[in-house]
Amino acid sequence: DVKVTQSSRYLVKRTGEKVFLECVQDMDHENMFWYRQDPGLGLRLIYFSYDVKMKEKGDIPEGYSVSREKKERFSLILESASTNQTSMYLCASSSSTGWNTEAFFGQGTRLTVV
Amino acid sequence: AQSVTQLDSQVPVFEEAPVELRCNYSSSVSVYLFWYVQYPNQGLQLLLKYLSGSTLVKGINGFEAEFNKSQTSFHLRKPSVHISDTAEYFCAVSSDNAGNMLTFGGGTRLMVKP
Repeated sequence: DVKVTQSSRYLVKRTGEKVFLECVQDMDHENMFWYRQDPGLGLRLIYFSYDVKMKEKGDIPEGYSVSREKKERFSLILESASTNQTSMYLCASSSSTGWNTEAFFGQGTRLTVV
Repeated sequence: AQSVTQLDSQVPVFEEAPVELRCNYSSSVSVYLFWYVQYPNQGLQLLLKYLSGSTLVKGINGFEAEFNKSQTSFHLRKPSVHISDTAEYFCAVSSDNAGNMLTFGGGTRLMVKP
């Protein structure tokens, strides 16, 4: 069974902290994505990576960075957490065999910044 | 640029009634269309996808969707809903010039009442 695993389901962090959200996939997928989910706004793409050490900005990259040192792992970093980054974060992966491939999602990490 | 509009943020419906969740997209090129479902406290799961060919697509759990190019729509339907269908539903679009990037709509919360 295919799997995308996010390290935490719930996180509470203080304003100004550096926060790491980890995502691991076991499907040998080339592409990995970080989305942010907010009510009424759907999912918005923060960053994606199509290969190890490669990254591309999505629609809302400000305040975030990413790291992909290994193919199976994609980390989202909040350099200095702020209250407006309180949200649900979803990681996804997909194969590069075609533009129409399905994305597989993790369970999500609900981050609260206080 | 591509975009997706889900016209209803919430759809209440009684059990065993039919339901239609509306989705309209905009894109200047050929598109691939997806419906994902998110059950409470879970990640997203693919319901169905349109890539090419027949405009009527059947998915899991008795759902189906129809691609209408002239109306740029991809509405999701089910003839008889169950309580267990209560979830949030997301329409998404990808295209040949967007790589593997999915653009999501704002989501529709389906609330099935007994």
